[in-house]
Amino acid sequence: NAGVTQTPKFQVLKTGQSMTLQCAQDMNHEYMSWYRQDPGMGLRLIHYSVGAGITDQGEVPNGYNVSRSTTEDFPLRLLSAAPSQTSVYFCASSLGGSTGELFFGEGSRLTVL
Amino acid sequence: GNSVTQMEGPVTLSEEAFLTINCTYTATGYPSLFWYVQYPGEGLQLLLKATKADDKGSNKGFEATYRKETTSFHLEKGSVQVSDSAVYFCALSGPVNRDDKIIFGKGTRLHILP
Repeated sequence: NAGVTQTPKFQVLKTGQSMTLQCAQDMNHEYMSWYRQDPGMGLRLIHYSVGAGITDQGEVPNGYNVSRSTTEDFPLRLLSAAPSQTSVYFCASSLGGSTGELFFGEGSRLTVL
Repeated sequence: GNSVTQMEGPVTLSEEAFLTINCTYTATGYPSLFWYVQYPGEGLQLLLKATKADDKGSNKGFEATYRKETTSFHLEKGSVQVSDSAVYFCALSGPVNRDDKIIFGKGTRLHILP
């Protein structure tokens, strides 16, 4: 059972480039979310989705887009990368919605030069 | 909006010491409360949770009680081990159907000395 799979694990971008962080889960979880983790800031919610076709903003959504066309996939898009987006990104999913246990991917470390 | 405040670290203790990591929250209604743990180089894992007032969550010797009157969910363990060294995050969500965001605190790094 793969759980939550994030790709890539590491990425270096130049300012202004675009990229997509992929997230896939094979547990048939309706709830999925993206967080960024920065030193001294903990985890901050970027976007989340309670099911296919539904997305909503979290605490720090600016500069990021998401879509949820299937239950399994929840990609995070950076349209024009900025150095402030240098961070470790975690995707997570839950069977029980926002009251259930979140299962996390291993993280994607992004550096924007 | 909802928010979580937890004590800043790092916290350094000797093995077998008693541990408390404080967590307080701000939320409307009755949120669900969680503690997650992150070991070095890994994603977060659920440690315990409580979904209503006065509930006690427990796992691996850790406990936390949902205190509505003090809006707190402090994490405790009677005798810590070196293997408990990690970063601990308090989190909350809900109430269901009113706010589906799961919000985390800033994390508390715990070092246990042998």
